[in-house]
Amino acid sequence: QKEVEQDPGPLSVPEGAIVSLNCTYSNSAFQYFMWYRQYSRKGPELLMYTYSSGNKEDGRFTAQVDKSSKYISLFIRDSQPSDSATYLCAMRFSGNTPLVFGKGTRLSVIA
Amino acid sequence: DGGITQSPKYLFRKEGQNVTLSCEQNLNHDAMYWYRQDPGQGLRLIYYSQIVNDFQKGDIAEGYSVSREKKESFPLTVTSAQKNPTAFYLCASKGTATNYGYTFGSGTRLTVV
Repeated sequence: QKEVEQDPGPLSVPEGAIVSLNCTYSNSAFQYFMWYRQYSRKGPELLMYTYSSGNKEDGRFTAQVDKSSKYISLFIRDSQPSDSATYLCAMRFSGNTPLVFGKGTRLSVIA
Repeated sequence: DGGITQSPKYLFRKEGQNVTLSCEQNLNHDAMYWYRQDPGQGLRLIYYSQIVNDFQKGDIAEGYSVSREKKESFPLTVTSAQKNPTAFYLCASKGTATNYGYTFGSGTRLTVV
C-alpha cells in the first residue's frame, strides 16, 4: 500500500462547479498537510497548508484534514477555467522531514 | 526577486552520458530537495540536503549523485547508471522559519536520445 493515495483523474467539471479533491494516507504520524497546484510543464506552487486536523479557508479554497479517518480534502468553490491544473496533496512528519506526495489529480474546468 | 532557478529548462542526454542539472536559490533556505516526476507517478524524492556538506538519499537515489558545497546550490548529476532517466526534474527548498511548504523551481525536462 502506498503511503499517500490520490485518484489521478482526470476530473472535468463545468465552470462554477464546486470541486472536491481528496487524498488518503496510511501513516498516522503525518502532521503537516499541503496542497500544491501545478500547471503544465511548471513547478508546483503551494496552495494551502494545514497542521494536524481541522479546516482552513482561503478565498475560494478550503482545505480539510480528518486525522481520525486519515483523509484530507481540498474544495474549490466557483471553479474557473484558470483552475485547470494538476493538484498534488503532500504531507510530512514533524521535524525537518521530506514531503511525501500523492500522484496528483488532473482537473479541467470547462467554460 | 527571491526564488529557485533551475537550468537548463530542456536537456538531452545520449546513452552512457552523465549530465548535471543545476539548482540555485537565493532564499537563504537551508534545506534543498530533488524530485523526479513521471506521468501518473507524482513526485518521487531523489536526494535531499538539510545543511551544507551533508545530504541524504531519498526513495529513488540509484543512478543519481548530488553535492552541497554552497548553501545556494544543489546540483544533481544523472549518471549512466540511471537506466530510465527521461523525466521532469524538480528542485525545491525550504527555510527553517517556514514550517510548512517548499518553494519549487520551474523544472528541467531531461530526455534520452
